Amino acid sequence: ETGVTQTPRHLVMGMTNKKSLKCEQHLGHNAMYWYKQSAKKPLELMFVYNFKEQTENNSVPSRFSPECPNSSHLFLHLHTLQPEDSALYLCASSRAGGLYEQYFGPGTRLTVT
Amino acid sequence: AQTVTQSQPEMSVQEAETVTLSCTYDTSESDYYLFWYKQPPSRQMILVIRQEAYKQQNATENRFSVNFQKAAKSFSLKISDSQLGDAAMYFCAYRVSSGNTPLVFGKGTRLSVIA
Repeated sequence: ETGVTQTPRHLVMGMTNKKSLKCEQHLGHNAMYWYKQSAKKPLELMFVYNFKEQTENNSVPSRFSPECPNSSHLFLHLHTLQPEDSALYLCASSRAGGLYEQYFGPGTRLTVT
Repeated sequence: AQTVTQSQPEMSVQEAETVTLSCTYDTSESDYYLFWYKQPPSRQMILVIRQEAYKQQNATENRFSVNFQKAAKSFSLKISDSQLGDAAMYFCAYRVSSGNTPLVFGKGTRLSVIA
């Protein structure tokens, strides 16, 4: 265990559903990240939050909506997704800046039907 | 834009042998960090080793070591005395040292360890 938890671990949703992914870290970190991991592609950074403020949105479609209510929690709200959005969604956290490593959660395996 | 290339989608190694995973990157920056992450099957991604670009000495962590060639923009990972538990996806990653810039990952190399 890395100190970063994600729920749910698996999610199947239809294209018209609305769901949310949750990430929680107990490491005292002040930066949190969402990544998308698809087969045969590099990890794609989606969003970055530093001290609860969004500092990076990597051209992510608006059907993905992040929320960071505090430095320990990060959500990814999903609505009207497409089948190509099926992937493993990874959350990570770190101390901001420097050589600090990112600690990853186990991911949510999302399938859009 | 920075890119990270891992040219070996899959590798295999006999238990107790040594294997080297390759990674090259493209950047115009002079100060940056390089990482190798390991993602075992159905388990969380964890950091294996990291290297600061300004350090000439190659980083080592027990059985894991890197061969950092800054001029060639190469950052290979060597695993010595391979163990069954080393089987995983290995990702090379890069980050500029200034600010809290995000990691740029390669596509990964799947390592199999043969008993």
